[in-house]
Amino acid sequence: GQQVMQIPQYQHVQEGEDFTTYCNSSTTLSNIQWYKQRPGGHPVFLIQLVKSGEVKKQKRLTFQFGEAKKNSSLHITATQTTDVGTYFCAGPPGNTGKLIFGQGTTLQVKP
Amino acid sequence: KAGVTQTPRYLIKTRGQQVTLSCSPISGHRSVSWYQQTPGQGLQFLFEYFSETQRNKGNFPGRFSGRQFSNSRSEMNVSTLELGDSALYLCASSSDGLGAQHFGDGTRLSIL
Repeated sequence: GQQVMQIPQYQHVQEGEDFTTYCNSSTTLSNIQWYKQRPGGHPVFLIQLVKSGEVKKQKRLTFQFGEAKKNSSLHITATQTTDVGTYFCAGPPGNTGKLIFGQGTTLQVKP
Repeated sequence: KAGVTQTPRYLIKTRGQQVTLSCSPISGHRSVSWYQQTPGQGLQFLFEYFSETQRNKGNFPGRFSGRQFSNSRSEMNVSTLELGDSALYLCASSSDGLGAQHFGDGTRLSIL
């Protein structure tokens, strides 16, 4: 079936280091969305990318959508303790109309 | 604008019982989706309702059902509860179903 895979599952970094999580789909995605879930909280929408090769930035966060619209990445520059949480990518494969979430990458930041 | 509201926040049930969860979407949002979140399986899509019609369904047994009312509020029902149904159930609303999802705080269901 359609799957959206994320790697790594966990990442521990020292505050100030960079962090990247990757998202890969077995099929083409019409768009890719990124969410952040803080411990004990609910997923919060961060951004949506629609175009092939699109790159968007939000302060220290950089989001990319692959040329084939099957992969995406989220890069955080100079992590802070406030970046702690689980980052999910999600997208609707093909014309399924379903939003499929990746398993998430949990980020821990050591001060 | 008020966010997505889910009730109740916590529920404890026993095996074999049934449960109904409620979700009030953001005003103006016609799409409501339900997800099950567990540590081992992540966020699993249950179903999506749009204008009172189930538009998409995930791979869950028929014990999981839902409905949407004319005011876009949605309910999810789980019958014959099993231990494995213990999870955080999240509801999300959006304007069209495939765009940005706005999640509620969830209902944490524990099955004893």
